[in-house]
Amino acid sequence: DAKTTQPPSMDCAEGRAANLPCNHSTISGNEYVYWYRQIHSQGPQYIIHGLKNNETNEMASLIITEDRKSSTLILPHATLRDTAVYYCIVRSMEYGNKLVFGAGTILRVKS
Amino acid sequence: EAEVAQSPRYKITEKSQAVAFWCDPISGHATLYWYRQILGQGPELLVQFQDESVVDDSQLPKDRFSAERLKGVDSTLKIQPAELGDSAMYLCASSLTGTGPYEQYFGPGTRLTVT
Repeated sequence: DAKTTQPPSMDCAEGRAANLPCNHSTISGNEYVYWYRQIHSQGPQYIIHGLKNNETNEMASLIITEDRKSSTLILPHATLRDTAVYYCIVRSMEYGNKLVFGAGTILRVKS
Repeated sequence: EAEVAQSPRYKITEKSQAVAFWCDPISGHATLYWYRQILGQGPELLVQFQDESVVDDSQLPKDRFSAERLKGVDSTLKIQPAELGDSAMYLCASSLTGTGPYEQYFGPGTRLTVT
């Protein structure tokens, strides 16, 4: 699986958009970009995933660059409850392929 | 909404003792995963099941850890004997099976403290 690089921490003001970057320059054509988050003392929670196109769901938007070497997770209106560790993971679709977590980005939403 | 169940939520044990964790995946999810998460790090896969069969246990310390999923539904992870370095969060996850981009759903975890 391709390696990802994320900033260790970010701050965001409550009500503003949070933009979390991720670099995955060695991603291959059959690998998806996944985002999970982990609120303190809870299990990781799936947020969104994408292959080539930008994706949006009720939680967030995922913007993938045209060359697929980087992506940005956008939380449009961050709340205090969005404070968590956010993991960007590149995952191939081989049967049974596991998730390989890095250290992630600690997002602190401040009032 | 269906959830992955885990028990116990917290466990304190003395080193050299045996400890076991239980996981009940979302109904219909044939793939089950056990992860270990050391404080300050991301989760690391220990073992993956497809129904009752082990698909990947390359990171499972087999001298002291064992995992089973006898009927292809719920699963148990055991440590015997526990060591101080085993203190961590143990997470269970499940997913649908196949080549689709299926997401994994995680349980709340079991926090193990070995004294």
